[in-house]
Amino acid sequence: NAGVTQTPKFQVLKTGQSMTLQCAQDMNHEYMSWYRQDPGMGLRLIHYSVGAGITDQGEVPNGYNVSRSTTEDFPLRLLSAAPSQTSVYFCASRSSYNSPLHFGNGTRLTVT
Amino acid sequence: EDQVTQSPEALRLQEGESSSLNCSYTVSGLRGLFWYRQDPGKGPEFLFTLYSAGEEKEKERLKATLTKKESFLHITAPKPEDSATYLCAVQPNTGNQFYFGTGTSLTVIP
Repeated sequence: NAGVTQTPKFQVLKTGQSMTLQCAQDMNHEYMSWYRQDPGMGLRLIHYSVGAGITDQGEVPNGYNVSRSTTEDFPLRLLSAAPSQTSVYFCASRSSYNSPLHFGNGTRLTVT
Repeated sequence: EDQVTQSPEALRLQEGESSSLNCSYTVSGLRGLFWYRQDPGKGPEFLFTLYSAGEEKEKERLKATLTKKESFLHITAPKPEDSATYLCAVQPNTGNQFYFGTGTSLTVIP
C-alpha cells in the first residue's frame, strides 16, 4: 500500500517551459488536491477534485491546469513556467469529507 | 476571513523539557482542526483531528486540545526524534478547502 505517490521528486525548468507533475493514490480516495508550500506561508490549495471528471479551483489556481480521468491519478500541469512557481508541491487525498488529508512526499520545483 | 496562526515559529527544548505549541484560528464554522507533523523533505503526516471545543486526543508524548479559538499541542518529556515541524490546519463547515498555519519548527536537544 504505497499511499500517495508523487513524481518527480525534483525538477528544474526554464521560464516558459511546460511540465506535468504526477500524483497517484492507491487508497480509492475520491477527493484529491494539490498544494504548494512556500517559506513563511502555509500550504495553499491550487486545485482539487471530488471525483473522476470533476475539478475545481482553490486559492492559487493561476498558471496551473488539472484533469481527473481516473480515481487514482490527478496530474498538475504547468502551462508556461514562471519563477514565481518555484515551490514545493504536495498532492493530498482523503477518503471522505470528515477525513484528514494524506500527503505525498512532494515535488521540489525550481524555475530559472 | 478564515485563517490560522501558529506560535512560536521555532522552539528549542532540552530532552525531557515539556512545552506547548499554539494554533489560533478564525473560521466561520469549524468542521475540524487537524495537526500534522512534517519532517524535512517529506510530506505532512497526520497526527490528530479535533472536532469540538473541549475535545482532547493523545498519542505517545503528544496531546492535542481544542477551544473555540485555539488549539494546543502539548509535548510531554520530548525526545530528539520529536524534532520536526508541526502544522495546524482548519476545515470550515462549508467548502472543500483546508487552511494551514505556517508551522512551528521544534528542535529537541539531547
